[in-house]
Amino acid sequence: AQSVTQPDIHITVSEGASLELRCNYSYGATPYLFWYVQSPGQGLQLLLKYFSGDTLVQGIKGFEAEFKRSQSSFNLRKPSVHWSDAAEFICHNDMRFGAGTRLTVKP
Amino acid sequence: DTAVSQTPKYLVTQMGNDKSIKCEQNLGHDTMYWYKQDSKKFLKIMFSYNNKELIINETVPNRFSPKSPDKAHLNLHINSLELGDSAVYFCASSRRDEQFFGPGTRLTVL
Repeated sequence: AQSVTQPDIHITVSEGASLELRCNYSYGATPYLFWYVQSPGQGLQLLLKYFSGDTLVQGIKGFEAEFKRSQSSFNLRKPSVHWSDAAEFICHNDMRFGAGTRLTVKP
Repeated sequence: DTAVSQTPKYLVTQMGNDKSIKCEQNLGHDTMYWYKQDSKKFLKIMFSYNNKELIINETVPNRFSPKSPDKAHLNLHINSLELGDSAVYFCASSRRDEQFFGPGTRLTVL
């Protein structure tokens, strides 16, 4: 069965530090992969998506993600985290969602 | 100019009641969805409608029923509410597999 795994439930980073959120998927064919962000009290907002082509995709708010078929991963990265990035991040593959990773940003 | 809207935003009700959550999208998408997000933030798809036809039903209890009066609306009806139904419910619409989500409806069953 298809599944999406986000191994880290909660991550804390200092403001200005780099960030990587992990996402692993299980799917036979080339997947459609997405990262969403959910801020408290708000709906989900699409950060970026991968359908095909260049495996490094750029998203909004300075986020990027790299699709690695050999590792079945689609990790989300940001070179320098801002305090306003604190939120819940959800990886999505087709009709499956990861459990989410909560990001806390320390001053 | 909201893309996907849901009403109400908050819904508090007693066990055993019947309630509805409305969803509307102005994106012209053909497919709409309902998701349930439980306390662990995991989003689980409940229903999907494509051109008014049900195409996915993730074996949710039959107390839940989607109703689509037209392509722009997908309402969620819930009969005989139970405590375990408390959650945030998200409506979404899609073009290909990119989904646009509504703001969510927080349902609390007392």
